[in-house]
Amino acid sequence: GEDVEQSLFLSVREGDSSVINCTYTDSSSTYLYWYKQEPGAGLQLLTYIFSNMDMKQDQRLTVLLNKKDKHLSLRIADTQTGDSAIYFCAVYTGTASKLTFGTGTRLQVTL
Amino acid sequence: GAGVSQTPSNKVTEKGKYVELRCDPISGHTALYWYRQSLGQGPEFLIYFQGTGAADDSGLPNDRFFAVRPEGSVSTLKIQRTERGDSAVYLCASSPLGSYEQYFGPGTRLTVT
Repeated sequence: GEDVEQSLFLSVREGDSSVINCTYTDSSSTYLYWYKQEPGAGLQLLTYIFSNMDMKQDQRLTVLLNKKDKHLSLRIADTQTGDSAIYFCAVYTGTASKLTFGTGTRLQVTL
Repeated sequence: GAGVSQTPSNKVTEKGKYVELRCDPISGHTALYWYRQSLGQGPEFLIYFQGTGAADDSGLPNDRFFAVRPEGSVSTLKIQRTERGDSAVYLCASSPLGSYEQYFGPGTRLTVT
């Protein structure tokens, strides 16, 4: 089945850019997502990209997709303390109705 | 508008007891999903409904887990003979027809003692 991997932790200074990375195994993945989870809260859909796109930008968020390497990244520009959270990468394949999630990357923003 | 709601927000039960967890999807959303999130992990798929029927229940871990959605709206996840390993946050998500966006509720934290 699909396997999605993320690094566990990232620390950045306020105002810097954050880049969170994700790799996946199923080349037939059609939609790829980034969700944000704050302590004690559910998952907030931040953005997603269709597999025929290389890049998607949405305000401070930029998603890059490298299909050849099965690599997805989320760049957060001008990172703020309110961006501190766990970020999950998730993939959807057309053959299954479910999302497969990574283990999440904890983003810590320091002053 | 209102998002996905889940009740209760917390549930503590004793090993061997039966529990029901409820999900109210966003109004008009036809697809409903249940996921389970263990501590330090990403959510794992349990079951997917399209309308009233379970279109994919391949993620249910065993026959102690069952879910229904009798009128195509509210769904209930039922766990029989709970075990300590069932302790997790149970998340519900819904999606409108034809969309690939899943919107999650706040979850129910289940603790089996």
